[in-house]
Amino acid sequence: NAGVMQNPRHLVRRRGQEARLRCSPMKGHSHVYWYRQLPEEGLKFMVYLQKENIIDESGMPKERFSAEFPKEGPSILRIQQVVRGDSAAYFCASSPTGGSNTEAFFGQGTRLTVV
Amino acid sequence: AQTVTQSQPEMSVQEAETVTLSCTYDTSENNYYLFWYKQPPSRQMILVIRQEAYKQQNATENRFSVNFQKAAKSFSLKISDSQLGDTAMYFCAFWGGNDYKLSFGAGTTVTVRA
Repeated sequence: NAGVMQNPRHLVRRRGQEARLRCSPMKGHSHVYWYRQLPEEGLKFMVYLQKENIIDESGMPKERFSAEFPKEGPSILRIQQVVRGDSAAYFCASSPTGGSNTEAFFGQGTRLTVV
Repeated sequence: AQTVTQSQPEMSVQEAETVTLSCTYDTSENNYYLFWYKQPPSRQMILVIRQEAYKQQNATENRFSVNFQKAAKSFSLKISDSQLGDTAMYFCAFWGGNDYKLSFGAGTTVTVRA
């Protein structure tokens, strides 16, 4: 059973370009979470999705960021018109159910560098 | 909102010795879960140990054990017989009640010296 797969592992974008980060959850998992880790900091929650639904996006910046988890295919975190401050590691986690009585499994993250 | 505090940015320990990492949290929830995650230089987030708040017994996982003090809202991690492979950043995390997300502390960098 493959783990949570994120790609690409490293992504370099120029200011103003778009970044698309992909996350394939573990088999059988229908709950996906995105976190952002700035240098020397802990992970900060961004958004929680189930298939075709955004459940909680309270950690997402109001502009330029969006996320989706379609019925088929991976979850996508999209950042439009990237700025230097978007440079960070973005982690995806998945779980078989939602809520705290489960375990979230993390991918290896995508390191986004904006130049 | 839940807050998780790790007051030790860095810790250093000699190989084979013991190191304890501190973590405190703030919550009004009664039912919640606490976690310690390890992040080695590869950046992979690895679950080290998990504690259910309703269990009084402290969780243990091989060389890793916790001291869970619910009334004090404290959740420390003890690494015994430290190994070079334990060198990593360690994050304390909280997941409470019907919340959908983990709340992480800022992390403690542990360096094991040969």
